Amino acid sequence: GAGVSQSPSNKVTEKGKDVELRCDPISGHTALYWYRQRLGQGLEFLIYFQGNSAPDKSGLPSDRFSAERTGESVSTLTIQRTQQEDSAVYLCASSLPLNNSPLHFGNGTRLTVT
Amino acid sequence: GNSVTQMEGPVTLSEEAFLTINCTYTATGYPSLFWYVQYPGEGLQLLLKATKADDKGSNKGFEATYRKETTSFHLEKGSVQVSDSAVYFCALSDQRGRGSTLGRLYFGRGTQLTVWP
Repeated sequence: GAGVSQSPSNKVTEKGKDVELRCDPISGHTALYWYRQRLGQGLEFLIYFQGNSAPDKSGLPSDRFSAERTGESVSTLTIQRTQQEDSAVYLCASSLPLNNSPLHFGNGTRLTVT
Repeated sequence: GNSVTQMEGPVTLSEEAFLTINCTYTATGYPSLFWYVQYPGEGLQLLLKATKADDKGSNKGFEATYRKETTSFHLEKGSVQVSDSAVYFCALSDQRGRGSTLGRLYFGRGTQLTVWP
């Protein structure tokens, strides 16, 4: 497909379990971003990749959160020992590595921690 | 620091009504400003942008003007349609120098717009 693809679209997990969220960016988009959107809140920046490296991880809320990217393509966001406050929609976006290049967003993964 | 404050919703209008969604920002440097829209069941997509003061972004009948003096980027449309029902997000991009986080956006909370026929 031509757009950013995220999987799964929905994930329900028990508190304390680990989860992995996947993002397939648009081909050729070397910049990749993860955002989080809690109910009724704005989008919260988590991490930015340029290629396979992450020059800005400042938004990761705790050391339970980590992300990696391989082949300048797929990225995985991992949340260990999930907590109820992790419940949110996790959005991935990609763009060309240019200032003001628009971000192309996926439909997100809705994570519910019970 | 960088932040965006936008009008809280929900906003409910009748078709053909005039729309304004207010957005103000705080930024260091000279940010670019954006409006993104999220239609039901879809991902966020860019609606319009402005990269410097006094620029006007426009798309699909929507307009917003980058006002540096009032640090605002209000979204307007003269006559809304049912198909405009969506969540609208104001955002800014930090224009720091080379090596910065290209394209990182700071978002407002979003404004839900519902247009009735």
